[in-house]
Amino acid sequence: QVRLVQSGAEVKKPGASVKVSCKASGDSLTGYHLHWVRQAPGQGLEWLGFINPHSGGTNYALHFQGRVTMTWDTSLSTAYMGLESLTSDDTAVYFCAREKSGTYGEDYFDYWGQGTLVTVSS
Amino acid sequence: DIQVTQSPSSLSASVGDRVTITCRTSESIANYLNWYQQKPGKAPRLLIITASTLQSGVPSRFSGRGSGTDFTLTISSLQPEDFATYYCQQTYRTPPVTFGGGTKVEIK
Repeated sequence: QVRLVQSGAEVKKPGASVKVSCKASGDSLTGYHLHWVRQAPGQGLEWLGFINPHSGGTNYALHFQGRVTMTWDTSLSTAYMGLESLTSDDTAVYFCAREKSGTYGEDYFDYWGQGTLVTVSS
Repeated sequence: DIQVTQSPSSLSASVGDRVTITCRTSESIANYLNWYQQKPGKAPRLLIITASTLQSGVPSRFSGRGSGTDFTLTISSLQPEDFATYYCQQTYRTPPVTFGGGTKVEIK
């Protein structure tokens, strides 16, 4: 059993940066990938990328490359997602989610954080 | 990237109705297709993996079928707690992970 608890809502001005945290408790995340997904108001789910907490390796969606940074603090069992140069289009709820890999290579997101609302407004 | 197209984008149904949601991918993904349910203000909840395997705790009125490029999620008898938005997700070739656009199931 894993619990992912995210940091609180943020309000940022255009051009600023934001850093959202996702603290894991329960089972270790070693051996899993930790993904970030966002959802703009009234819209669908958009994948941002993932981090491998064991190696620190990352993979970002093309759309966000150069603007997003994902990190993992082993001592705190906490993942961070930073997004720079914010615009109003970045207003969304940001979720972290654990990826589970099955025996035959099937992957799915089995645990999710509660979401963090990031509002970008002047 | 593999594109995922979900239909319909919304539907209205009554309690007890049979509801089917379709997901189509731009290329064959075998059965690497998952379904999630999301209620307002909440994170998505995993319902089905590999097209048809129900997760623990998911009611048996939910079922999934399909392989290749065409998949369906069926709710055999809609219950009040099933009114939500449903998303499919392909994990056959990643990154990127891609989701369908969602289907909102509303009360008629």
